[in-house]
Amino acid sequence: EDQVTQSPEALRLQEGESSSLNCSYTVSGLRGLFWYRQDPGKGPEFLFTLYSAGEEKEKERLKATLTKKESFLHITAPKPEDSATYLCVPGSNTGKLIFGQGTTLQVKP
Amino acid sequence: DTGVSQNPRHKITKRGQNVTFRCDPISEHNRLYWYRQTLGQGPEFLTYFQNEAQLEKSRLLSDRFSAERPKGSFSTLEIQRTEQGDSAMYLCASSLQGATEAFFGQGTRLTVV
Repeated sequence: EDQVTQSPEALRLQEGESSSLNCSYTVSGLRGLFWYRQDPGKGPEFLFTLYSAGEEKEKERLKATLTKKESFLHITAPKPEDSATYLCVPGSNTGKLIFGQGTTLQVKP
Repeated sequence: DTGVSQNPRHKITKRGQNVTFRCDPISEHNRLYWYRQTLGQGPEFLTYFQNEAQLEKSRLLSDRFSAERPKGSFSTLEIQRTEQGDSAMYLCASSLQGATEAFFGQGTRLTVV
């Protein structure tokens, strides 16, 4: 069965305190690994696509990396506006996205 | 605005009533997905279309739920005889065929009272 597990479920950081979010997955026919950000009451917002192990993508204070079984989202010197739920989403060969619970990040000033 | 559009944004209905939601995908996207999300949980897959064909339906999609995409453009999701357990955010997403990112709408929040 396709599964994705994100850890931690919740993370509190002080502004400027860097950290990493972990995503481990088991998906048959993996076709891309996507990271989304979701603010309360809104739809997920696309951040990155990773296709192969060793690939990295960056956007502002965020950097996503991919291995064969895991992906990491590194947050460098976060700001309060980075507070959101981050969703790691493996894509299957059917195109269906597989969601876990996400990691809810709170960055305090 | 060329993003995914969902209407209405909010819907309050009485238990037992039927509701219908609409999703307008990004125009060149041939895949369209419906997800349901409850508070504190990640989105749960409901169904998806490639053009007008409904290719997969989740076990979560009971007989009271039906989705259509008649001309391969916009889609509707209908819930008949709503129950309080149907209260959730209903999300629509679209993508190009293949392993490409999907873009989500802002969702329709359904409250069944």
